[in-house]
Amino acid sequence: GEDVEQSLFLSVREGDSSVINCTYTDSSSTYLYWYKQEPGAGLQLLTYIFSNMDMKQDQRLTVLLNKKDKHLSLRIADTQTGDSAIYFCADGPRFGAGTRLTVKP
Amino acid sequence: DTGVSQDPRHKITKRGQNVTFRCDPISEHNRLYWYRQTLGQGPEFLTYFQNEAQLEKSRLLSDRFSAERPKGSFSTLEIQRTEQGDSAMYLCASSSDRGWDTEAFFGQGTRLTVV
Repeated sequence: GEDVEQSLFLSVREGDSSVINCTYTDSSSTYLYWYKQEPGAGLQLLTYIFSNMDMKQDQRLTVLLNKKDKHLSLRIADTQTGDSAIYFCADGPRFGAGTRLTVKP
Repeated sequence: DTGVSQDPRHKITKRGQNVTFRCDPISEHNRLYWYRQTLGQGPEFLTYFQNEAQLEKSRLLSDRFSAERPKGSFSTLEIQRTEQGDSAMYLCASSSDRGWDTEAFFGQGTRLTVV
């Protein structure tokens, strides 16, 4: 995923908001994606945003897209221990290395 | 249809042996993708098929790797003369003709360990 970059680790307390950031170098894709991967489980599509939008909200998830800066973020409100996982940003089929979110009780 | 299925789920092989993995995509999906994921990394694109045609191959796919999708349905990924560096999770995904811009579904993966 050299074209998509993410910070590797994020630790938050239960109930706080989590913000996971991602930058990408090239996007000819119509959509950008966030995937979640829990230990021993497959990749799960979490949410996506159309490249012409700048924000999308889906329950506790808010995706912000700054197309000019090629910056994508995922905000998880009221983070729960069950949100602990690795979160991947994807520009079409190109993935970042993933951000490991740890939620402490 | 229960989604994308991969077989086997786990494979342990000795260095130098050949291995073959199978992927069955969602039945109405024409596009099929192979990825490799190593510990601490995101999925790395290897190759993809539109029906039976292999349209793109990553430079990560060395000569020891070959993928086929002979009838445009299931696909196989073969690794010849395996090396320890081939140890990884091999993921398959499928999507409709509109490509990745529609939701692509991933299988559970095949974990390869080369000893």
